[in-house]
Amino acid sequence: GENVEQHPSTLSVQEGDSAVIKCTYSDSASNYFPWYKQELGKRPQLIIDIRSNVGEKKDQRIAVTLNKTAKHFSLHITETQPEDSAVYFCAASRGFGNEKLTFGTGTRLTIIP
Amino acid sequence: EPEVTQTPSHQVTQMGQEVILRCVPISNHLYFYWYRQILGQKVEFLVSFYNNEISEKSEIFDDQFSVERPDGSNFTLKIRSTKLEDSAMYFCASRFGVDAIEQFFGPGTRLTVL
Repeated sequence: GENVEQHPSTLSVQEGDSAVIKCTYSDSASNYFPWYKQELGKRPQLIIDIRSNVGEKKDQRIAVTLNKTAKHFSLHITETQPEDSAVYFCAASRGFGNEKLTFGTGTRLTIIP
Repeated sequence: EPEVTQTPSHQVTQMGQEVILRCVPISNHLYFYWYRQILGQKVEFLVSFYNNEISEKSEIFDDQFSVERPDGSNFTLKIRSTKLEDSAMYFCASRFGVDAIEQFFGPGTRLTVL
C-alpha cells in the first residue's frame, strides 16, 4: 500500500520568513496530493492540493510543487504569519473511484513573532 | 457553506461497551469515509463507503467495526466492544463524486475508552 513520509516533524520560523515542508510517497499510481492544516482540536482543513498532471500550484502565500519522477511534493508558505501556526499534513491518493487518503505524519509549524 | 457534521463531539465509554458515532455528510455527496487520529499521531484511514457498501477498509477496521447508512442522511460507525486502544478522534469525511476529489472532514468525535 501507499506510504507517505513527511519532514520535518517540527519547524519553527520567524514571522515573515518562508516555511517548506516536504513529503515523499511510494505508490506511483497516486495522482492527487492534498495538504491539510489542522489547528489544535479541530478538523483537518484542505489548504491546497495538486494533481499529477501539474507541477506547481499557487494560492496567495501558499504553493505546492510536485516531482512525479522523484515521488516528492512540497508545501511552501511565504511571508509567514502567526495564524499559520498549526500542524500540517500531506496526503496522497489515487484519486479515482473512492480512494482513501494516506496521510503523512504531520509537521508542527510554529511561527515566532 | 455546507459542512459535514458529527455527533457527539465527545464520547466516554467503558471498555467492552458498544458505541455508535454519527455523521451527517454533505447532502449531495456520494462517497463517505471514516478516519481516526490517535492523540498526537497522523490521521489514519479506516473505511470507505459508496452505494451502500464498503469499498475499502484498512487493517484497523476489523470485525469489531461496522458502518451503516441507515437513511438518506446519516452515516454511522459502530464499535461493538471497545478497547482502550480505540481511544482516538474519529473523523467522518465525504466527497461529491469521481471528478470532485476533495474530501470534506467533519469536526470529529473524541472517543475515550476507560
